[in-house]
Amino acid sequence: QVQLVESGGGVVQPGGSLRLSCAASGFTFSHYGMHWVRQAPGKGLEWVAFIRADGSDRYYADSVKGRFTISRDNSKNTLYVQMNSLRAEDTAVYYCAKRFYDILTGYYDFDFWGQGTLVTVSS
Amino acid sequence: DIVMTQTPLSSPVTLGQPASISCRSSQSLVHSDGNTYLSWLQQRPGQPPRLLIYKISKRFSGVPDRFSGSGAGTDFTLKISRVEAEDVGVYFCTQATQFPYTFGQGTKLEIK
Repeated sequence: QVQLVESGGGVVQPGGSLRLSCAASGFTFSHYGMHWVRQAPGKGLEWVAFIRADGSDRYYADSVKGRFTISRDNSKNTLYVQMNSLRAEDTAVYYCAKRFYDILTGYYDFDFWGQGTLVTVSS
Repeated sequence: DIVMTQTPLSSPVTLGQPASISCRSSQSLVHSDGNTYLSWLQQRPGQPPRLLIYKISKRFSGVPDRFSGSGAGTDFTLKISRVEAEDVGVYFCTQATQFPYTFGQGTKLEIK
């Protein structure tokens, strides 16, 4: 079965950096695009970034562009996000989520989610 | 960016009764490939979101048939035919037609 397990969250000071990981299993990771989505405490969902299956294209929310970098290592079945210049407003649970694709159905997003990892930016 | 607006933001429902949530986008969600990438997610308390509906009306694997989606263009609806206790949570619409992807504010479904 599909499993996505995020790690790397914690408390970091404003201006600091953190790298989150998402370990994938139960599917052929190298075939699917992947997302990061975040949720501030008690708030709604905010899409953060997307990377295509082969890493060829990456997209970012304006709120993180220039500070966050999404990447993947298909040999390790792992998705990453490097977060620099962190701000208080980046405090959130960060989820990785998968895109689905097949030749008959086409694509659709967010078919599976991890449990999330909490990032707290505070002095 | 495409703005997604949900109504209502809170929906108290009696068990066994229907529920309906609306989602309106600030521009058409019809993609150049002809598909409309509008999905609905459910988030139960303390859980990550879960996909219910994709491409307006297609139920994801394992989703009960009491959930249905409809709509076109900029106006979409999620319906629950008979609400059960396990349906309590927050429901989000989301568009994947254009980057940046965006979500509605969320609609909290609670039992009266």
